[in-house]
Amino acid sequence: DTAVSQTPKYLVTQMGNDKSIKCEQNLGHDTMYWYKQDSKKFLKIMFSYNNKELIINETVPNRFSPKSPDKAHLNLHINSLELGDSAVYFCASSQDIQWAYEQYFGPGTRLTVT
Amino acid sequence: GNSVTQMEGPVTLSEEAFLTINCTYTATGYPSLFWYVQYPGEGLQLLLKATKADDKGSNKGFEATYRKETTSFHLEKGSVQVSDSAVYFCARRDEGAQKLVFGQGTRLTINP
Repeated sequence: DTAVSQTPKYLVTQMGNDKSIKCEQNLGHDTMYWYKQDSKKFLKIMFSYNNKELIINETVPNRFSPKSPDKAHLNLHINSLELGDSAVYFCASSQDIQWAYEQYFGPGTRLTVT
Repeated sequence: GNSVTQMEGPVTLSEEAFLTINCTYTATGYPSLFWYVQYPGEGLQLLLKATKADDKGSNKGFEATYRKETTSFHLEKGSVQVSDSAVYFCARRDEGAQKLVFGQGTRLTINP
């Protein structure tokens, strides 16, 4: 059973489009995260939700909007895609915010904006 | 700010060689320190951790010791295997903080 799953795995789209990436975890965790990994493998947190509430919102353009319909899901919607949004996006979860160090990562979604 | 710096990659070694990947952190507060590993095409996995000075984390033959005097948490393995080829990330979590801060990652390739 996949613990943290993301869809799609690959996403190729044109500038200006709006797209969503979905994330689901079946671990019963309370906390979920979105990370962006650039072409140099640098990994940076974007958002974190605990029990469906936003608790971390790094300096991310407001074109990026996370949505957590329930504890098991954290989706990422991106409006007006730009070339610089091309990256691998990872979803992760942890038992709760106190266990933020032990995060379980999804396989990633490679977004290419042309 | 609170940061983590890793040695520049890529690192290429032969099988059974000794591995060291350096990691240093800014000496602010008392962070917990971690190594994560990312195998090709996968997400990150926690490899090992140390929560206070002089702690040693170990897993799968890898070790790292939390050294406050040198603000370091170097990753070591005595004899690497081809299957160890991956990207390794050092990370910190500050007391009371709700997030991990990752280093830039070090790509390791082991040749047979």
